[in-house]
Order: sequence, then structure tokens, then C-alpha cells
Amino acid sequence: QIQLQQSGPGLVKPSQTLSLTCTISGDSVSSSGATWNWIRQSPSRGLEWLGRTYYRSKWYNNYAVSVKSRITINPDTSKNQFSLQLNSVTPEDTAVYFCARDPPEIHSVFDIWGQGTVVTVSS
Amino acid sequence: EIALTQSPGILSLSPGERATLSCRTSQSINNNYLAWYQQKLGQAPRLLIYGASSRATGIPDRFSGSGSGTDFTLTISRLEPEDFAVYYCQQHGDILFTFGPGTKLEIK
Repeated sequence: QIQLQQSGPGLVKPSQTLSLTCTISGDSVSSSGATWNWIRQSPSRGLEWLGRTYYRSKWYNNYAVSVKSRITINPDTSKNQFSLQLNSVTPEDTAVYFCARDPPEIHSVFDIWGQGTVVTVSS
Repeated sequence: EIALTQSPGILSLSPGERATLSCRTSQSINNNYLAWYQQKLGQAPRLLIYGASSRATGIPDRFSGSGSGTDFTLTISRLEPEDFAVYYCQQHGDILFTFGPGTKLEIK
């Protein structure tokens, strides 16, 4: 059974960096077919895909235009995890953040999700 | 970026009734790559349908998807009490994956 477990702080100060980690069990971050994604949800922006990392002989990343200048998603093969870093946060980055798997056999949908982390940007 | 709109915003029905939810995209979707998710309060979304009409693993056959081009539909043939939730569509044909704003299906 594939599971994603999220960890990280729920409160971040404005201008600082939001950092979250997603630990994978039952699959591998180095899987040749899956991609590993971060998605957030807020009342003002709805569900918003932020970016992904994946391995196809080498590591690749894709990021949403809205956050491209501020986001980094990194894999950690030793811990079977991937992480999200979002720099220079503002209150508009307040949201529930989810990690999610895009499975190898289906094109770019999200079949396994983490439990979600409520992140508030406030001083 | 492909924009998605959903209608209605809120749908009030009774258990046993048929639900029809609509999703419209701002441009035609490659290969009809349109997915549907169900989300209950405090939970992550759950994948129901992908590729417009393929059910995800473990999804009951009362859920069906249809449509092509820019107009797509999720149908729930006979509503069960556990089906009352918010439903989102997502286009998965373009790398800038986008979601619709959702339809809330509530008990009448």
C-alpha cells in the first residue's frame, strides 16, 4: 500500500522560507514512471499545482509559472522523500499543502495524496 | 494556461437521485485528458475519473465520466449518502495542470 506522509511547520513568518517534506512508503521517489508533486489549496486560489520532480535516467523538475521564481522541489533518495521549499512567502501563500503521486500508468493525474499540512504565513 | 469552469456551483439533491456535474475548459484538451476528484471536508482529494471516462481503481460504477473537446460531464447514477462532497475537475493534458473551482453536492 502506497502512502505519503507529510511533515513540516504549520506557521511561517512573512519573507521567510516555507519547507515541507513528503516521505514515501510502498513506492520509490526514483520510480521510472511516477512523478512526485506538490499541490496547495486555499479559499482564494482553489487547488493549485505547484510543481513536480521525477527521475527518467536523470532528475527533472517542472514548476508552475505563478511560483517559478520562488520554488524548489528536491528528491532525497537516501530517505525516499521529496521536499518543497517556497521562498519569500507572503500571507497569500497561506494554504493547505499536499504532496501527491502521479502514477506511472496514467498521464499526469494524482492518485495518492499526503494528509495535507495547514501552513499559515503570519508574523 | 487552460482555465476550467464548473457548473453548477452548488447542487442540491436527495439520495437515490442522479447527479450531473459539468466542467468546461477554455481550450480543447489533448487526448481528452480530463480528470475528476471527490473531496470531503478535512481530507485530500480522491481520484475518480481520468481520461474523461476511465474510472480509477476501486471507484464504484455509479460514477461515470463523458465528454470531449471542451465540455465534460461527471454523472453519479444513484446518489449514496457518502457521495455528498465537493467535486473538482482537472485537466491533465497540459503540463501546467489546472483544476476547476469545484461543485458542492449537498443533501436536499
